[in-house]
Amino acid sequence: ETGVTQTPRHLVMGMTNKKSLKCEQHLGHNAMYWYKQSAKKPLELMFVYNFKEQTENNSVPSRFSPECPNSSHLFLHLHTLQPEDSALYLCASSQKAGDSNEKLFFGSGTQLSVL
Amino acid sequence: SQKIEQNSEALNIQEGKTATLTCNYTNYSPAYLQWYRQDPGRGPVFLLLIRENEKEKRKERLKVTFDTTLKQSLFHITASQPADSATYLCALVAGGGADGLTFGKGTHLIIQP
Repeated sequence: ETGVTQTPRHLVMGMTNKKSLKCEQHLGHNAMYWYKQSAKKPLELMFVYNFKEQTENNSVPSRFSPECPNSSHLFLHLHTLQPEDSALYLCASSQKAGDSNEKLFFGSGTQLSVL
Repeated sequence: SQKIEQNSEALNIQEGKTATLTCNYTNYSPAYLQWYRQDPGRGPVFLLLIRENEKEKRKERLKVTFDTTLKQSLFHITASQPADSATYLCALVAGGGADGLTFGKGTHLIIQP
């Protein structure tokens, strides 16, 4: 157990649905991240939050909307997704973003299928 | 543009031998480099971090080297075991002062008994 919990583990949704992914970390970290992992592609950084403030948004389409109410919780709200958005969505946390010892602790991910 | 390349999609090694994985990068000047292990259906797990002023780092059967001149890191697993079979990812801090890590595609290592 890494101390980072993601729910749900699997999600199937239609293109018109609205759903949310949840991430919770029990490590006392101050930074949280969303990554997307598609088959045969490297992990893609989507969003970074440091002390609840969003510090990175890597040109992610607006159909993905992150929310970080506190340093322990991170959400990814999904609406009107496309089939190419099907992927493994990984949440991670670290002590502090931008720190020289920025080791990431990942959850097990949500495997998303968009039909 | 910045790029991280890992040496092959799959690497087959016989049990007991040393596995060597390569990570090359371009258009980066990283202060440190990290290696992660990822098992199917799981998130990556941190293994080792090596700084630019360190030539080598060891942890049990793992050894990492970092050559900033060649822009390359080598990851070695000695006395490899079937349980070492996984995908190994190298990661660098994102460029331009941005937060977060940028990952390579990973090398899928298979240790055959």
